Amino acid sequence: NAGVTQTPKFQVLKTGQSMTLQCAQDMNHEYMSWYRQDPGMGLRLIHYSVGAGITDQGEVPNGYNVSRSTTEDFPLRLLSAAPSQTSVYFCASSLYSNQPQHFGDGTRLSIL
Amino acid sequence: RKEVEQDPGPFNVPEGATVAFNCTYSNSASQSFFWYRQDCRKEPKLLMSVYSSGNEDGRFTAQLNRASQYISLLIRDSKLSDSATYLCVVSTTSGTYKYIFGTGTRLKVLA
Repeated sequence: NAGVTQTPKFQVLKTGQSMTLQCAQDMNHEYMSWYRQDPGMGLRLIHYSVGAGITDQGEVPNGYNVSRSTTEDFPLRLLSAAPSQTSVYFCASSLYSNQPQHFGDGTRLSIL
Repeated sequence: RKEVEQDPGPFNVPEGATVAFNCTYSNSASQSFFWYRQDCRKEPKLLMSVYSSGNEDGRFTAQLNRASQYISLLIRDSKLSDSATYLCVVSTTSGTYKYIFGTGTRLKVLA
């Protein structure tokens, strides 16, 4: 009963480093998305995908890349980490784009 | 103007009280509406979807008013365990598809 699995749960990076946040779902959901949550800002959409091979930008895409080579996986890449990217990152999925989303546990990322 | 707006609260209410939250949205083409609950530093969890006819799930009632572009959540007989942040979510398809989250309303139920 895995649902949406995010790894790692915690990560500390130095400015300029790159890394990939992993997200996988086992529910055969078409729609997947990445959000960041900062205090007082709510969840903001970074990138989303409506199916394998299709991705699009959300509200705050700069500094992040995504790809969707399979239905199950939707990794988020930080190209060159900056302190402004310190945040909690959530991955979510839904069967279709107008259905409720299921969230992973989140990744807490600190950039020094 | 934000696409989805909520009163941030906090709402401090005694156990057993009834409390209501409102959420307004700006895009009249919005199609689907949800309330999520988020506990401190945890992932958001779906509380209920919101339908035009209104819907109820136990102590929780959600309403949608498309004409005035707002949704509401009513919690009756509040429990200590209801203390959380309640997020309003609106999904819109206008060229591209996306969910928009409100910043949330904090509820604290007091013993």
